[in-house]
This record gives sequence, C-alpha cells and structure tokens, in this order.
Amino acid sequence: QVQLQQSGPGLVKPSQTLSLTCAISGDSVSSNSAAWNWIRQSPSRGLEWLGRTYYRSQWYNDYAVSVKSRITINPDTSKNQFSLQLNSVTPEDTAVYYCARESPTTVTSSLGYWGQGTLVTVSS
Amino acid sequence: DIQMTQSPSSLSASVGDRVTITCRASQSISSSLNWYQQKPGKAPKLLIYAASSLQSGVPSRFSGSGSGTDFTLTISSLQPEDFATYYCQQSYSTLFTFGPGTKVDIK
Repeated sequence: QVQLQQSGPGLVKPSQTLSLTCAISGDSVSSNSAAWNWIRQSPSRGLEWLGRTYYRSQWYNDYAVSVKSRITINPDTSKNQFSLQLNSVTPEDTAVYYCARESPTTVTSSLGYWGQGTLVTVSS
Repeated sequence: DIQMTQSPSSLSASVGDRVTITCRASQSISSSLNWYQQKPGKAPKLLIYAASSLQSGVPSRFSGSGSGTDFTLTISSLQPEDFATYYCQQSYSTLFTFGPGTKVDIK
C-alpha cells in the first residue's frame, strides 16, 4: 500500500521560499512507471497542478506555466522522497499543498495516491 | 493549457437520487479524463480513470462516460457518504488541469 507523508512549515514570509517534502512508503521515487506530483488548492484558484518529477532512465520534470519560473521539484533517492521549492512567494501562494503519485492507466494516467495536505500561509 | 469546466457548480439532492455531473474540455482529450471526490479537510480521492474505468474499491453506483470534449459522472443512487465535491481532471496533456468542482449537498 502506497503512503505519502508530507512535512514542512505552515507559515512562510513573503518573498521567501516555500519548501515541502513528501516521503514515500510502499513504492520508490525511482520507479520507472510512476511520477511524483505536487498540487495545491485554494478558494481562488481551486485545484492547481504544479508539477512532477519522474525517472525514465534519467530524471525529468514538468512544471505548470503559472509557476515555471519559481518552482523546483527534486527527488531524493537516499530518503525515498521528493520535495517542492517555490521561490519568491506572495500571499497568492497561500494554499493547501498536496503531493500525489501518478501512475499509468489503460490509456493515460491518474493520481491514485495523495498525501494528507499541508496548509501553507504566506504572511509576514 | 486545456481548460476544464463543470456543471452544475453545485446541486442539492436526496438520498437515493440519481445524480449527473458534466465536465467539458476546451479541446478534445480522447478518454484522458479522471474524476475525484473530495470531502472537507481531506485529499481528493480517485473514483474514475480513463473516463469510464472504476478505481478499485469504489462502489459500483459511480460510473463515468464520454470521450472527446464531453464527459459525465453519474451516481446511480446517492448515499449519505456521497455528499462531497467532485472534480474532473484531464491527463491528455502532460500539464494537468482540473475542473472547478461540483458540490453535492443534502436537499
């Protein structure tokens, strides 16, 4: 059974960097079929996909256009986890952040396992 | 980005009712459409993948249909535990997008 456990601060000051970690159990961050995603949710933006990291003989990343200049998602194979860094945050980045595992289905892929969510507030 | 819309944005229904939620994509996404259920304070839960395939463990009263740009989630007989918000999500593009959600509450 795959489980994702999120950790990280719930309060970040404006202009600073938001950092969250998602620890994986029951699967490997280096899986050749899964991908590891970050999604956030706020009343103003709804559910917003932020990006993913995945391994297919080498590491790849995809990022949403809306955050591409500010985001980094990194795998940590030694700890079997992956992280989110979002730079230069503003109050508009206040949201509940989720990590999720993406796995292939019959014709596409889906987000079948999610972390518990972390409320991150951007405020001075 | 592929834009996703849902209708209605909310609905009120009674236990035992048949409920239908519609999702529309801004371009054809073939069958690359997933449905999620979210309850307050919880992460979304995958219900339907690839437009019409039931996720393991999800009750058979949930079903999905559609392809191209128009999709439907149907709950055949609404149960008390089904009162929640439902989201569609396209996985046709590598850059995922979600619909705005449909809140199902008690009439």
